[in-house]
Amino acid sequence: GQSLEQPSEVTAVEGAIVQINCTYQTSGFYGLSWYQQHDGGAPTFLSYNALDGLEETGRFSSFLSRSDSYGYLLLQELQMKDSASYFCAVETGANNLFFGTGTRLTVIP
Amino acid sequence: GAGVSQSPSNKVTEKGKDVELRCDPISGHTALYWYRQSLGQGLEFLIYFQGNSAPDKSGLPSDRFSAERTGGSVSTLTIQRTQQEDSAVYLCASSLRWENNQPQHFGDGTRLSIL
Repeated sequence: GQSLEQPSEVTAVEGAIVQINCTYQTSGFYGLSWYQQHDGGAPTFLSYNALDGLEETGRFSSFLSRSDSYGYLLLQELQMKDSASYFCAVETGANNLFFGTGTRLTVIP
Repeated sequence: GAGVSQSPSNKVTEKGKDVELRCDPISGHTALYWYRQSLGQGLEFLIYFQGNSAPDKSGLPSDRFSAERTGGSVSTLTIQRTQQEDSAVYLCASSLRWENNQPQHFGDGTRLSIL
């Protein structure tokens, strides 16, 4: 079967750095995506990694190690507005996404 | 519109009734996806469309669920004889093309409650 594991909850202080890990076991792998979802809102695309290494987009970075079936999302200079759920998703086929259950990030003052 | 539009935003209905959910993708997006999200859970993939064609319907939870897309644009997800376990947020997403590394753009979803 397919599985994606990520922590259910993370709490961090405003201004700090937080890392959300994702390990996966899927029948196919084309890439790892991250989506952000605020309560009651639509998921929004953050990043995509197809190759090993670190991709940086502003305060957010995403890392992938295909050999370890592992990736993470790194959020720097945390702001209160970053409080949301973060989902990793494996692209198992051409743009077919298998989502994890999400990590709820709470940023505290 | 600028984004993916879903209607209705909320739907409350009695068990056993049929419901129809609508999705208007971003103009020009050829790929369209339906997901279901239960409270506090991840997104469960239901079905995708490449143009008007749905090559894989295996993600639909039961034969009470069906979806269609016409004109390469609007899609409807129909649930017949609704059950309480169908209560969830149904999210629609679209992407420019059905190929790797195409960000999916989500609508705000339809919150379905079955009494």
